[in-house]
Amino acid sequence: ELKVEQNPLFLSMQEGKNYTIYCNYSTTSDRLYWYRQDPGKSLESLFVLLSNGAVKQEGRLMASLDTKARLSTLHITAAVHDLSATYFCAVDLQTGANNLFFGTGTRLTVIP
Amino acid sequence: EAQVTQNPRYLITVTGKKLTVTCSQNMNHEYMSWYRQDPGLGLRQIYYSMNVEVTDKGDVPEGYKVSRKEKRNFPLILESPSPNQTSLYFCASSLSGPAQPQHFGDGTRLSIL
Repeated sequence: ELKVEQNPLFLSMQEGKNYTIYCNYSTTSDRLYWYRQDPGKSLESLFVLLSNGAVKQEGRLMASLDTKARLSTLHITAAVHDLSATYFCAVDLQTGANNLFFGTGTRLTVIP
Repeated sequence: EAQVTQNPRYLITVTGKKLTVTCSQNMNHEYMSWYRQDPGLGLRQIYYSMNVEVTDKGDVPEGYKVSRKEKRNFPLILESPSPNQTSLYFCASSLSGPAQPQHFGDGTRLSIL
């Protein structure tokens, strides 16, 4: 059974600080995705990582993928309140199937 | 405006009464998918479709049916709903698969009594 684990599950950080969210998965895959969900809202695609060593950046967020370690990181630089949300990673199997397995999410709260 | 539209947004119903949640996208996307979101479990995929008349099971398909007769529509059918299907449901679409950014609907909150 594929497992996707995120750490931490809850994160409270001050504005201006840096932090990293981790996503570990249990199967061979070189396709990993990050999503954001604001409280009470739907999800928004953030990053699509399609190969080992892939790095994507958007504003204060940077995502990377290490397929050998089965690990993706979402790094937050100089956090601002607007980044408060729940962040999900998701993996799809490398078998040609197109179904996704999500982590349980990391709820980030940025304190002014 | 590019969007994925789900209806209804909220529904309270009773066990065993068949219901359908509709999902429609206006972006000519090939890939569509249904997820349920439960506290502490994140999102779990129910069914997905790569194109018209092509559907496949996700992680938790039991108790659900889908159809893809037209490219734009991907309804989720609960033939005999049960309380354990009480959840928040999201429909999503992307150009050609999960490796493309997915666009999500606003969600449907189902309560099965």
